[in-house]
Amino acid sequence: GAGVSQSPSNKVTEKGKDVELRCDPISGHTALYWYRQSLGQGLEFLIYFQGNSAPDKSGLPSDRFSAERTGGSVSTLTIQRTQQEDSAVYLCASSLAGGLGADTQYFGPGTRLTVL
Amino acid sequence: AQSVTQPDIHITVSEGASLELRCNYSYGATPYLFWYVQSPGQGLQLLLKYFSGDTLVQGIKGFEAEFKRSQSSFNLRKPSVHWSDAAEYFCAVNNNDMRFGAGTRLTVKP
Repeated sequence: GAGVSQSPSNKVTEKGKDVELRCDPISGHTALYWYRQSLGQGLEFLIYFQGNSAPDKSGLPSDRFSAERTGGSVSTLTIQRTQQEDSAVYLCASSLAGGLGADTQYFGPGTRLTVL
Repeated sequence: AQSVTQPDIHITVSEGASLELRCNYSYGATPYLFWYVQSPGQGLQLLLKYFSGDTLVQGIKGFEAEFKRSQSSFNLRKPSVHWSDAAEYFCAVNNNDMRFGAGTRLTVKP
């Protein structure tokens, strides 16, 4: 597709369950980012993939969060043993080259996660 | 610590009035600067960005922003606001990693 897509658009789960969120970046973009947007908050950086390099996981809030990117394209963010404070909109973005500076990030519509 | 500050959580303006949204950053060097808009139920859309050169940058939808090094600011402006501009606006800086401000919610009164 022309833009970044994410699925599902909405996810409701019970506390303690695992969830997987998917991101399809723009074709040809080597960099992929995950952010979390909590109600009334700005965007919180979670993780960044650049090509075949080891991902920058510095933003992951706990070891319950993990992400992978297969074949340099699609990415999956996994949250294990979900907690109510994980409820947020999870945004994915991709950019052509990533890294320092000027590269524009293009965002997907997000996945709204609700943990009951 | 490096940070991006948007001092105004919520702004209300009348349609046709001018608009200025504030953004301040604290970084050692001049970072790359961005403004994004998020309409209800939509993803973030880039309005404009500043890398170097002319400190007044033009963006989409009639928005502009001015980089002021002395004030560490990158305020977003629009001369005449339209009802469709009601949205959440995020300032972001990129200096090895991308940091976003908390956002300013814009309400437009008829």
